[in-house]
Amino acid sequence: NAGVMQNPRHLVRRRGQEARLRCSPMKGHSHVYWYRQLPEEGLKFMVYLQKENIIDESGMPKERFSAEFPKEGPSILRIQQVVRGDSAAYFCASSSRTGMNTEAFFGQGTRLTVV
Amino acid sequence: AQRVTQPEKLLSVFKGAPVELKCNYSYSGSPELFWYVQYSRQRLQLLLRHISRESIKGFTADLNKGETSFHLKKPFAQEEDSAMYYCALTGTGRRALTFGSGTRLQVQP
Repeated sequence: NAGVMQNPRHLVRRRGQEARLRCSPMKGHSHVYWYRQLPEEGLKFMVYLQKENIIDESGMPKERFSAEFPKEGPSILRIQQVVRGDSAAYFCASSSRTGMNTEAFFGQGTRLTVV
Repeated sequence: AQRVTQPEKLLSVFKGAPVELKCNYSYSGSPELFWYVQYSRQRLQLLLRHISRESIKGFTADLNKGETSFHLKKPFAQEEDSAMYYCALTGTGRRALTFGSGTRLQVQP
């Protein structure tokens, strides 16, 4: 089991372009979480998805950001018309279920730089 | 609202010295507390959780509901403990984690 895979590891975009970040959960995991880490800060929750459903998007900015987790394929975090403030590390985590004592496994992250 | 506070950005100790990384939280219900660790160039990984009441790599953490704290302790630090440590919380009905800002532990030889 290769673990949670995120790609690309590094992504550079010019202001106004779109950024697409991919996350393949661990085999057998159907719950995916996206977090954002700004410099010198902790990870901040963005969105929680199960297959084909957004369960909790309370941490997502209202504009320009969207996420999906289709029946087949990886979860995608999409940022439209990127701005310099979007520069951050974006982490994905997956778990096999919810409930007490459930461990979430993290990917290596995608570092987005907006120039 | 739930919140996790790690007051120290950096903690530097010598090898063999005791270590305590502080974590305080605020949460109105029954929280589930975790410590995550990120070694250099590696992914974030779970170190321990309060439910398990276990010791991992010599680290322990006790949930103190009266003081709303979940400090991470190790009696004798090793150089390989040098890493970023994040305290995190989740609660009933919400599976996403709320993280503290992290503490960098440096263990000097």
